[in-house]
Amino acid sequence: QKEVEQNSGPLSVPEGAIASLNCTYSDRGSQSFFWYRQYSGKSPELIMSIYSNGDKEDGRFTAQLNKASQYVSLLIRDSQPSDSATYLCAVNMNTGRRALTFGSGTRLQVQP
Amino acid sequence: NAGVTQTPKFRILKIGQSMTLQCTQDMNHNYMYWYRQDPGMGLKLIYYSVGAGITDKGEVPNGYNVSRSTTEDFPLRLELAAPSQTSVYFCASSGAEETQYFGPGTRLLVL
Repeated sequence: QKEVEQNSGPLSVPEGAIASLNCTYSDRGSQSFFWYRQYSGKSPELIMSIYSNGDKEDGRFTAQLNKASQYVSLLIRDSQPSDSATYLCAVNMNTGRRALTFGSGTRLQVQP
Repeated sequence: NAGVTQTPKFRILKIGQSMTLQCTQDMNHNYMYWYRQDPGMGLKLIYYSVGAGITDKGEVPNGYNVSRSTTEDFPLRLELAAPSQTSVYFCASSGAEETQYFGPGTRLLVL
């Protein structure tokens, strides 16, 4: 079964610190990778997408992809209390359908 | 531009009842999806559609049915509700890009 694995957390970091969120996936043929943020009781919203090995930066967020090691990570610099949420990793795996496989999410708590 | 809308926001069903969860998108997206999310878990794909008239099963389709008569609408039908279907249901859509845009969700409680 093709899977996406995340540490459920909670990951607790002080305000202003760097939060590092990790995700591994089982399908070596996966090509598209996404990070979604989900506040409690709300729907997921896209933070970043990444398709190529290396880093992709957008403001305080950096996504890192290593296809050889089958992991993707999200770094949040200068973490703010408003970043406290669950972060979902999603991967478009080679399942024969254009759909995402989601990890169970990592809960991030940013302490003021 | 409302994006993806879902109704109802919350519903309580008795075991054995049926209902339809509505989903509409105004972005002219071809791809639409239904997910369920159980507490503390990720999203599981129930059904998806690649265009009007075309639907296919996802990971957890049992107990559900869908139809896609128009590009905009993708209703999810629950027949004979069971307690195991208590969950939050999200509808999503995507266009040429793979990015999926989610509706606000429907919280369903089956008692």
